[in-house]
Amino acid sequence: QSVLTQPPSASGTPGQRVTISCSGSSSNIGIHYVYWYQQDPGMAPKLLIYRNDQRPSGVPDRFSGSKSGTSASLAIDGLRSEDEADYYCAASDDSLSGVLFGGGTRLTVL
Amino acid sequence: EVQLVESGGGLVKPGGSLRLSCAASGFTFSNAWMYWVRQATGKGLEWVARMKSQTNGGTIDYAAPVKGRFTISRDDSRNTLYLEMNSLRSEDTAVYYCPTDAGIPAGGWAYWGQGILVTVSS
Repeated sequence: QSVLTQPPSASGTPGQRVTISCSGSSSNIGIHYVYWYQQDPGMAPKLLIYRNDQRPSGVPDRFSGSKSGTSASLAIDGLRSEDEADYYCAASDDSLSGVLFGGGTRLTVL
Repeated sequence: EVQLVESGGGLVKPGGSLRLSCAASGFTFSNAWMYWVRQATGKGLEWVARMKSQTNGGTIDYAAPVKGRFTISRDDSRNTLYLEMNSLRSEDTAVYYCPTDAGIPAGGWAYWGQGILVTVSS
């Protein structure tokens, strides 16, 4: 069972705004950066957001990240069909001396 | 261009051993923190192990399910990361990736290999 909690699924129609939440604790999200990864079926994950709210070059500004306390969110504006994928949050955890992933959220574009 | 190429996977019987390699290029390997992450079919991502750069003490950490059975190591002269896996169990069956921040502190795992499949089955 993942210590970072994400909803297993999310959905939206093209053009909509969708948010995916990631809930943690004081030993992980509360004191460490949050990262978001996007994974298409059969492919390696792709870094979407780093250091809570930073976008790597090449990631559209439709994707944004935020963090407050022990929770974080990924928002996708102007939803497109190609955004249909699995999304994972991740953060270091001091209790485990390692890295935690959320369970993943499958985004469906209706 | 950053490249990460995993190799060494395959079919192994429960209780057996396997060594994975991750050949890196396109960045200063010795400065990078290196990781192993796995994903069982149809499941989520799971962090396996981390080895910091030698300048950061070369500290090693393992996820609880693999601690005592897996050993992460690196050869900075060969730009290669390893994962020695012993006492393998069926639940270790997964695609294994070796992502990295390529030496960018807190930069996230911007680089991933294609992954290598490890199947533990009799």
